[in-house]
Amino acid sequence: ETGVTQTPRHLVMGMTNKKSLKCEQHLGHNAMYWYKQSAKKPLELMFVYSLEERVENNSVPSRFSPECPNSSHLFLHLHTLQPEDSALYLCASSQDLGRGGAYNEQFFGPGTRLTVL
Amino acid sequence: GESVGLHLPTLSVQEGDNSIINCAYSNSASDYFIWYKQESGKGPQFIIDIRSNMDKRQGQRVTVLLNKTVKHLSLQIAATQPGDSAVYFCAENNGSGYALNFGKGTSLLVTP
Repeated sequence: ETGVTQTPRHLVMGMTNKKSLKCEQHLGHNAMYWYKQSAKKPLELMFVYSLEERVENNSVPSRFSPECPNSSHLFLHLHTLQPEDSALYLCASSQDLGRGGAYNEQFFGPGTRLTVL
Repeated sequence: GESVGLHLPTLSVQEGDNSIINCAYSNSASDYFIWYKQESGKGPQFIIDIRSNMDKRQGQRVTVLLNKTVKHLSLQIAATQPGDSAVYFCAENNGSGYALNFGKGTSLLVTP
């Protein structure tokens, strides 16, 4: 186990539903991330939080809304999704952001497999 | 745009053989590279990294080689075991801290 948990592990939703993905890290890290992993495509960084503040919103549609209430928890609120949003959504955390050329290892959760009908 | 890619989408090797997974990158400013392993039903897991001022780094049964001249990265796994079956990703960072540019992944299948 990496110390990063995600719930639910699987989610099926209709295009008009509203659902939320939850991520929790037990590592005492200060930075958290949401990634999207689609079939046959590289991992795409969606959002980055550092000390509960969003530092990156990587041109993600507004139907994805992140929330970071504290440094241990990260949510991804979903509404009016499209079938092309079906993917594996991965959460990760790192000690810090690793600016200035110093990379901080990111620890990934197991992901939530999302299917939009 | 800049990209990181993998030469082969799938690789099948026999147990006990050595495996070599290749990766090409195009951003000459990249100065840090990582290999990740992703097993079925799990998130990516860090395997080994290398900085651009090195051309080789060894870990436990794994070696990463970096050729900056041709912008090529490889992961060598010695004495491949069934537990090595997974998808392997390379990723590069251009010194901006957290942002990684991932490749699509190579699926490694180890047969008995």
